[in-house]
Amino acid sequence: ETGVTQTPRHLVMGMTNKKSLKCEQHLGHNAMYWYKQSAKKPLELMFVYSLEERVENNSVPSRFSPECPNSSHLFLHLHTLQPEDSALYLCASSQSRDRATGELFFGEGSRLTVL
Amino acid sequence: QKEVEQNSGPLSVPEGAIASLNCTYSDRGSQSFFWYRQYSGKSPELIMSIYSNGDKEDGRFTAQLNKASQYVSLLIRDSQPSDSATYLCAVRIQGAQKLVFGQGTRLTINP
Repeated sequence: ETGVTQTPRHLVMGMTNKKSLKCEQHLGHNAMYWYKQSAKKPLELMFVYSLEERVENNSVPSRFSPECPNSSHLFLHLHTLQPEDSALYLCASSQSRDRATGELFFGEGSRLTVL
Repeated sequence: QKEVEQNSGPLSVPEGAIASLNCTYSDRGSQSFFWYRQYSGKSPELIMSIYSNGDKEDGRFTAQLNKASQYVSLLIRDSQPSDSATYLCAVRIQGAQKLVFGQGTRLTINP
């Protein structure tokens, strides 16, 4: 079993749909992240939660809505997306302590296609 | 100026040779630096972290940090075909719980 599990692995949705991505970590970490990975672009940080509190919102459009009910679970709620939002969405976790915060453990990602 | 810059490659290296991957960053106050490896169709995995100037060795991998030049590198000795992947440089921005990634260098090891 991987330390960070993401579901679904693949998602196709229309522009008017509402869907959610789920992430669960089994590593006992206290920080969780959403990253977006598009072709030929660097990994883009979207949201950071530390101890279930959002500490970073990297100018992400409101059609992406994160939720972190506890330190093990993270959701990304999607609604009225655009085709350019098609990408690989990666969840990661870390133990938030000083410089080790950069040691991220990633899930396998959710490949999103918006039609 | 991009916060973290890498040559996107592709970088082609013969098997058994040394692969050298480079990264520069713009935030002079950054203290933490990381190299991630991403195989095609997979998620990134951490392979090295470095926090002090100088070299850090782990098996066939050596990370090098020069804060004065704002430069981080990764050397892979005795390169193997299984090292073929995209290598991502990441820098933790000073004072923030935020890791900024470069766009990655695609490395191919030729048998």
